Amino acid sequence: QLQLLESGPGLVKPSETLSLTCTVSGGSVSSRSYYWGWIRQPPGKGLEWIGSINYSGSTYHNPSLRNRVTISVDTSKNQFSLKLTSVTAADTAVYYCARHNWNDEESHFDYWGQGTLVTVSS
Amino acid sequence: DVVMTQTPLSSPVTLGQPASISCRSSQSLVHSDGNTYLSWLQQRPGQPPRLLIYKISNRFSGVPDRFSGSGAGTDFTLKISRVEAEDVGVYYCMQGTEFPFTFGPGTKVDIK
Repeated sequence: QLQLLESGPGLVKPSETLSLTCTVSGGSVSSRSYYWGWIRQPPGKGLEWIGSINYSGSTYHNPSLRNRVTISVDTSKNQFSLKLTSVTAADTAVYYCARHNWNDEESHFDYWGQGTLVTVSS
Repeated sequence: DVVMTQTPLSSPVTLGQPASISCRSSQSLVHSDGNTYLSWLQQRPGQPPRLLIYKISNRFSGVPDRFSGSGAGTDFTLKISRVEAEDVGVYYCMQGTEFPFTFGPGTKVDIK
């Protein structure tokens, strides 16, 4: 069974960089069939797609986050990562990683991690 | 961006009775490849979202057959034939057709 686990600091200061890693088990980020994505959910609110990456490093991200997002993949560790720069309180959210089944015939998020709460506060 | 709206935003239901959630997109979700990438997710309290339905009506692995999806173009529906206690939570529709991918605001389902 595919499992994803987010890790990273739970508290980030304003203007600093949020960094999270998603470790995948029971599957491989090197698979050519899938992308790997990040989605966030502010407390008590809805879901926002942040971006997705595939095995070769091809990346797409939500333009609403402008140029603050960097997503990378480390196939040797079976991980992918998120960096969000210049954070503000508005970036406080539960951050989920998920497998993004995005290919010629599919486009949905089928397996999700448990999520990790990141609070932006001084 | 494609705006997803859902109705109702809250749905108290009686155990054993059906429930229905509507999702509407601001533009057609028919992709140039002919597929419609509309999915439904369930988020139980304190849990991550879970995929229920993809491409309008395909149930994901392990999803009970009391969940069904239908619709076309811009109007979609998720139906629960007989609500069980474990179905309590928030349900989201999501479009994977147009970039950036977007979610509906969620519909909270609870028991009367």
